[in-house]
Amino acid sequence: DGGITQSPKYLFRKEGQNVTLSCEQNLNHDAMYWYRQDPGQGLRLIYYSQIVNDFQKGDIAEGYSVSREKKESFPLTVTSAQKNPTAFYLCASRDRGHSSSGGNTIYFGEGSWLTVV
Amino acid sequence: AQSVAQPEDQVNVAEGNPLTVKCTYSVSGNPYLFWYVQYPNRGLQFLLKYITGDNLVKGSYGFEAEFNKSQTSFHLKKPSALVSDSALYFCAVRALGGATNKLIFGTGTLLAVQP
Repeated sequence: DGGITQSPKYLFRKEGQNVTLSCEQNLNHDAMYWYRQDPGQGLRLIYYSQIVNDFQKGDIAEGYSVSREKKESFPLTVTSAQKNPTAFYLCASRDRGHSSSGGNTIYFGEGSWLTVV
Repeated sequence: AQSVAQPEDQVNVAEGNPLTVKCTYSVSGNPYLFWYVQYPNRGLQFLLKYITGDNLVKGSYGFEAEFNKSQTSFHLKKPSALVSDSALYFCAVRALGGATNKLIFGTGTLLAVQP
């Protein structure tokens, strides 16, 4: 099946610990994204990557880091510097369809819950 | 700056009745507009989008949305609601020509369909 796979679904982090959320896609998409979802605040962009070996900070990048060594993979590390990491994290990727065919749709994985214990 | 507003936190409708979930946007330039649906503990599923052309866009599960440029709105509609339509709905916008192609989301509207 083609799609975006996030793992683990549930993750618990102790204070002062770094954790990494995995995101893999087999859709051959160039662009990938990480969003954070908190109740009542919608989705906020953490980091995005438009091509391999390149990524940019989104609106709430502090306390997070990413890498993009392969087209298929865009892992997110939540560092100890992120003071309030408990949230639902969503990975997404975007196709490169042309405007005339209605491309440029962003597709999402199933999400990962991160809880601080 | 780009922004999206979903003025209703929750919409309640009886099964079989028509439903509308409202969305207004603000962008400089022509917008790409999207609707997504999220079921509990799941990722977002793409429903439909407006890029150009007809103002009425048809999407998945019988949903449609009407683009209104003068009112800067993109309301989601369905002629007859189902209980299974109960979920969280997000409107999103991206401006054409932007360097980053970032998608800006509204805060979501919870649709509750009563049997």
